[in-house]
Amino acid sequence: GNSVTQMEGPVTLSEEAFLTINCTYTATGYPSLFWYVQYPGEGLQLLLKATKADDKGSNKGFEATYRKETTSFHLEKGSVQVSDSAVYFCALRTGGGADGLTFGKGTHLIIQP
Amino acid sequence: GAGVSQSPRYKVAKRGQDVALRCDPISGHVSLFWYQQALGQGPEFLTYFQNEAQLDKSGLPSDRFFAERPEGSVSTLKIQRTQQEDSAVYLCASSYMTSGSTDTQYFGPGTRLTVL
Repeated sequence: GNSVTQMEGPVTLSEEAFLTINCTYTATGYPSLFWYVQYPGEGLQLLLKATKADDKGSNKGFEATYRKETTSFHLEKGSVQVSDSAVYFCALRTGGGADGLTFGKGTHLIIQP
Repeated sequence: GAGVSQSPRYKVAKRGQDVALRCDPISGHVSLFWYQQALGQGPEFLTYFQNEAQLDKSGLPSDRFFAERPEGSVSTLKIQRTQQEDSAVYLCASSYMTSGSTDTQYFGPGTRLTVL
C-alpha cells in the first residue's frame, strides 16, 4: 500500500533560517507528490506539487524535488519568515482517479522572530 | 470565487446519536473526496465520488458511515450511532477533473465532530 513518512515536529527555527522538512514515501505505482500547508485557523491549501521524477515544485519561496531513486520529496526554503509558521503535510496520490491522497502525519513549523 | 464550504463547522453529539455533515464543492468540480483527520494526525481518505457515483468507499471505517452525492454536487456524510472514536475533523475536498493523479484537490475548512 501507499504510505508517507515525514519528520516529527514541532520544528522551531529563527527567522531567516534555512528550512528542510524531510518526506519519504512508499507507493504502488507511479505517484504524484504534494505538499499541503495548514495555517492556524485555516483549511488545507496546496503549497506545491510534482508529477514525475526530477520535477521541482515551487511556490512562495518553497521548493521540493521529486527524487524517485530515494523515494523522497523534501521541502526546503532558504529564508523562513514568521508568517511561514504552520503545519506542513506531505502527500501522494497514485493514478486511476478513484483513490484519494495519502498524507503524512504533518510537521508543525514554528518560526520565532 | 467561492471555495469548498462545509457545515456545520462544529458538531457535538452524544454517543449513539446520528449526525449528518454537509459539503458544498466548488461549482463545476466533478470529483469529491471525504477525509477524516484525528487530532495530531494527517487526513485519512474515506470515500470518493465522481459526479453522483461513489467510486471508492474503501476508507470508510465501518458500516455506520455512509456518504451520498445524489445530484452530483452537494454531498452528505452520515454517521450512525456515533462512538467516541468518531471524534475527528471531517474534511471535504473537490477537484475539477474526473481522473488523474495530478489533480489539485481543494479542501474545505472541515467539520469538527466531538462525540461525548
